[in-house]
Amino acid sequence: AQSVTQPDIHITVSEGASLELRCNYSYGATPYLFWYVQSPGQGLQLLLKYFSGDTLVQGIKGFEAEFKRSQSSFNLRKPSVHWSDAAEYFCAVGDMNTGFQKLVFGTGTRLLVSP
Amino acid sequence: DAGVTQSPTHLIKTRGQHVTLRCSPISGHKSVSWYQQVLGQGPQFIFQYYEKEERGRGNFPDRFSARQFPNYSSELNVNALLLGDSALYLCASSFGRDHGDEQFFGPGTRLTVL
Repeated sequence: AQSVTQPDIHITVSEGASLELRCNYSYGATPYLFWYVQSPGQGLQLLLKYFSGDTLVQGIKGFEAEFKRSQSSFNLRKPSVHWSDAAEYFCAVGDMNTGFQKLVFGTGTRLLVSP
Repeated sequence: DAGVTQSPTHLIKTRGQHVTLRCSPISGHKSVSWYQQVLGQGPQFIFQYYEKEERGRGNFPDRFSARQFPNYSSELNVNALLLGDSALYLCASSFGRDHGDEQFFGPGTRLTVL
């Protein structure tokens, strides 16, 4: 079965510094991969997704992610973090072994931004 | 355009009671999925409904049920509530045509079981 691991529960980054959030997945074939952000009291917002093709994916709010098959990773990056980026970030894989849409999420990484 | 809406925002129930949560998808979307997010965890898939029929179900007991109406809105029902059912319940809508269709999430319903 598919699984997603986000090894960092919390990360603190200074405003203006770069950010990398780690995500490792377990899936037999080329997966559908997603990064979502969740702010307090809000639902999940899609930042970016990878299905195939160019392994460097650009998303909204200045985020990007790189798919590395050899490492089973899909890490999220941002060159310069803003205070408004403080939120919880979830990596997810689309379970394509089923005949229906199902996302399998990691446990999330909470990003704290210090002044 | 309105996004995915859910009601109520918050709900407090006691063990053994029944609860109904509601979701209205984005206009034009025919698929609604339900996820349970326990505090400190990522969302877990409960159901997907497409064109008013259950398309898929996650690893949840039969106490959890759902339905989708002709206008594509959906209800999630949970019977015989347990303390462990306390969670944020998220609804997501999409066109539902394939795995790659983006799912748009609502703000969720926070259920507390006492």
